[in-house]
Amino acid sequence: EDQVTQSPEALRLQEGESSSLNCSYTVSGLRGLFWYRQDPGKGPEFLFTLYSAGEEKEKERLKATLTKKESFLHITAPKPEDSATYLCAVASGSARQLTFGSGTQLTVLP
Amino acid sequence: ETGVTQTPRHLVMGMTNKKSLKCEQHLGHNAMYWYKQSAKKPLELMFVYSLEERVENNSVPSRFSPECPNSSHLFLHLHTLQPEDSALYLCASSQGAIRGELFFGEGSRLTVL
Repeated sequence: EDQVTQSPEALRLQEGESSSLNCSYTVSGLRGLFWYRQDPGKGPEFLFTLYSAGEEKEKERLKATLTKKESFLHITAPKPEDSATYLCAVASGSARQLTFGSGTQLTVLP
Repeated sequence: ETGVTQTPRHLVMGMTNKKSLKCEQHLGHNAMYWYKQSAKKPLELMFVYSLEERVENNSVPSRFSPECPNSSHLFLHLHTLQPEDSALYLCASSQGAIRGELFFGEGSRLTVL
C-alpha cells in the first residue's frame, strides 16, 4: 500500500526566512510525485510534477526536488502570500489513484 | 467560465434531505473526480469517471450517488447523510484517468445537521 508522510504539519516563518517542506513516500514503482498548494476555502492548485530521482522543478520562490525516498519543497525568501497548505501526492504503478499526504500548513509572517 | 466550477459553494442539510452537488469543467479534459476533504486528513478519492464511465469507486457508502452525463459535467447526489459526512467536497478533472495533474474546483462545503 502506498504511503505519503508530510512534515512538519505546520511551519511558521518570518518573511525572507528560507526553509524546506518534506514529503516522504513508500510506493511500488513511482510513476510521479506531485505538489499542490491549497489556500483556505479553496481547492488545491497544481504546482509541480517530478518523475525520477534527481529531478528538480522551479517556480518563482519554490523549488521541488526528488530522491528515491522523499521530495522537498524549498521556499526561498518567502513572502506572506506564500502562506498556504502544501500537499504532496504520489502515483504508483500498482495503484489506480493518487495517494495524498496530510499537508504542511505554512504561515509566513510579515 | 474557465477551469472547474462547483455549485453550491456551501450547503447545509438535514439527515433526511436529498441534495445534489454540481461540477462543470471547461478544460476539455476526459476524466473527472470527486474527492472528500476532512480536517487534518488526506484527500480521499470517492469516484473517478473517465469518458463518462465510472472507473473507480472507493467503497463509498450508497448514500453518495455520482452521475456523469457527459465529459464536462459531474454530479454527486446526496441522501440520508450522517453528521460525519460534513466535509469539503472537491471536484477535479484531468486529461487521462490516472494522471496526477488534477485541476480542482473550489469545493462545496457541506454541513449535515
